[in-house]
Amino acid sequence: EAQVTQNPRYLITVTGKKLTVTCSQNMNHEYMSWYRQDPGLGLRQIYYSMNVEVTDKGDVPEGYKVSRKEKRNFPLILESPSPNQTSLYFCASRTPLKDRAANSPLHFGNGTRLTVT
Amino acid sequence: AQSVTQPDIHITVSEGASLELRCNYSYGATPYLFWYVQSPGQGLQLLLKYFSGDTLVQGIKGFEAEFKRSQSSFNLRKPSVHWSDAAEYFCAVRHSGGYQKVTFGIGTKLQVIP
Repeated sequence: EAQVTQNPRYLITVTGKKLTVTCSQNMNHEYMSWYRQDPGLGLRQIYYSMNVEVTDKGDVPEGYKVSRKEKRNFPLILESPSPNQTSLYFCASRTPLKDRAANSPLHFGNGTRLTVT
Repeated sequence: AQSVTQPDIHITVSEGASLELRCNYSYGATPYLFWYVQSPGQGLQLLLKYFSGDTLVQGIKGFEAEFKRSQSSFNLRKPSVHWSDAAEYFCAVRHSGGYQKVTFGIGTKLQVIP
C-alpha cells in the first residue's frame, strides 16, 4: 500500500532534549516536505527536499533541521526543542511537477503530535 | 506572493443539507488548486484538484468544486452532507514554477448536526 509513515504519533518531551521524528514513503517520490499545523494558522512549511541530498528552508525553519540521505526517508530533527514547537507535524511527499503534467498531489502521513514542556 | 483565504473557520450544517465552503486565492498565473480533508487523528486526504480545462471538478465522497477565475475562487460544494463529512477542510494553491510550493488556507472545520 502506498503510504507516508511518520513515527512516533505522539511525543511528549522536555525543553532542550533533542528529538527526531521519522518520515518514510514507499512511492519512490522525489519531493518530500515537513509542515506544522497550528490552530488558526493552517499548515506552514518547515523544510522541503527536491531529491536526495537536496534540502531547503520553507516558511518556518527556525529550530529545525532535516536530512535526506536516501530517497525514502526525510527525518525532522529538533536539536533543542522549545515549548513554541509544540504542534502537530505532518510529512508529505509527491512526484515532481516535471514528471507528469501537474497531476501530483501531496500524500500526507498521519501526523505527529509533539508536546514540549 | 501566493495566498489562500478561507473566510469561514467553523461551519455547522444539518445532515442532508447542502454545503459550500469558500476559498479565495491570490496568485499571478493560472493556479493549481486543491481541496484536502482532514478527519480527526488523520493526515490530509486529497478531495479534488484543478489544473486546467473544465472549471467544475468532481472529487471523492460526492464533493465538487468550481474554479472561477473572475472571482479568484475555488469553492467546495456538496449537495447533501453526511455525518461522516464532519472534518476540517483545507484549500491549497500550488505554484507552477520554482520548487512548486504549496500554500494552504487556515482550514474550515465542519460540524454536522443530526
